Amino acid sequence: GQNIDQPTEMTATEGAIVQINCTYQTSGFNGLFWYQQHAGEAPTFLSYNVLDGLEEKGRFSSFLSRSKGYSYLLLKELQMKDSASYLCAVSNDYKLSFGAGTTVTVRA
Amino acid sequence: DVKVTQSSRYLVKRTGEKVFLECVQDMDHENMFWYRQDPGLGLRLIYFSYDVKMKEKGDIPEGYSVSREKKERFSLILESASTNQTSMYLCASRGTSGDSITDTQYFGPGTRLTVL
Repeated sequence: GQNIDQPTEMTATEGAIVQINCTYQTSGFNGLFWYQQHAGEAPTFLSYNVLDGLEEKGRFSSFLSRSKGYSYLLLKELQMKDSASYLCAVSNDYKLSFGAGTTVTVRA
Repeated sequence: DVKVTQSSRYLVKRTGEKVFLECVQDMDHENMFWYRQDPGLGLRLIYFSYDVKMKEKGDIPEGYSVSREKKERFSLILESASTNQTSMYLCASRGTSGDSITDTQYFGPGTRLTVL
């Protein structure tokens, strides 16, 4: 079975840093994806980790520890447009299993 | 730029009706997927297809069927719609390049289906 957990909601101030944690227990693992989804829109790809460690992409970074079944997405220098849901997804072959998503609200 | 389109953004149907949701991608992707998204449950995989005329059940296939007659088009069918199928339906496609596992899924804009 697949079990992917992430917090339901987080709130932060513009310019701050927020870290969204994701823990997983899955029957197979080929990598971990993070997607961003604005209200009423399609999810869009943010990052992918297959090896342990940190992947940095501008203001966004993602970390993976396979031995701990743990990942986080770090959003730096938060902007109002970062208010969205962030979805953690584990890849097994070409299928993805998703967490329920974390809604991040950025306040001025 | 990958483009995945879905036939309708909003759809209202009555219980017992047959419903067709269409998805088209323009990137010659082999793999296509149908999900439903519900608050608190996230995206759940209904069916996927790894090639033309090939399909496999996802995690919640009951009450649904699919059709893939052409590579670019993947249809989701609700044989007899029920109120518990009211949801947001998202289609996705994925290519299989040399490093196929890392190919991300690209999503369509979604169809919000209401069954009365």
